[in-house]
Amino acid sequence: DQQVKQNSPSLSVQEGRISILNCDYTNSMFDYFLWYKKYPAEGPTFLISISSIKDKNEDGRFTVFLNKSAKHLSLHIVPSQPGDSAVYFCAASVRYGGSQGNLIFGKGTKLSVKP
Amino acid sequence: DGGITQSPKYLFRKEGQNVTLSCEQNLNHDAMYWYRQDPGQGLRLIYYSQIVNDFQKGDIAEGYSVSREKKESFPLTVTSAQKNPTAFYLCAIKDRDNEQFFGPGTRLTVL
Repeated sequence: DQQVKQNSPSLSVQEGRISILNCDYTNSMFDYFLWYKKYPAEGPTFLISISSIKDKNEDGRFTVFLNKSAKHLSLHIVPSQPGDSAVYFCAASVRYGGSQGNLIFGKGTKLSVKP
Repeated sequence: DGGITQSPKYLFRKEGQNVTLSCEQNLNHDAMYWYRQDPGQGLRLIYYSQIVNDFQKGDIAEGYSVSREKKESFPLTVTSAQKNPTAFYLCAIKDRDNEQFFGPGTRLTVL
């Protein structure tokens, strides 16, 4: 049973437009959420995170929104650039929960930004 | 140069052979993790270690073994009991903020 779901396997966006990647979770104990970006044959790189005490966190072109009541988070990339083309993974955890602090990953969304 | 290193980048193994993947870190973090990635799948946890001389099974530990004799090192052995070992293997460390940082990965192919 998937606790973290990324229901869109792929997303195609025009350069300069907004990319919105979505993630849903089922475990109400999760209180910390992260987004990672991954290029083929490389390790994922950490992008941005958000704690459940916030509903928004920004870092440059990347903004993550958290809707706790809907158990939903989204990553917005504005403006999208061709170099953003990668697979994006959503992850969730109970931040200081011992073994529960392990990250649970979604299956990823492949973003393609077209010039 | 610091960080997390994994070696080798590419590894080929014959069926029935055990193989060990290396993961080293010089970031002085206690917690280390091994994941496996398959096409269309997320990252699945194989084993993790929160401190030296201690490790725990993750979600898909069958056919794998680990050791944690030193803080800097967390090698993963893929044994012949692993039915489908061809995959991309990722090692990670966790910092105090519970953020995980990954090594560059090892692509294992069974011939």
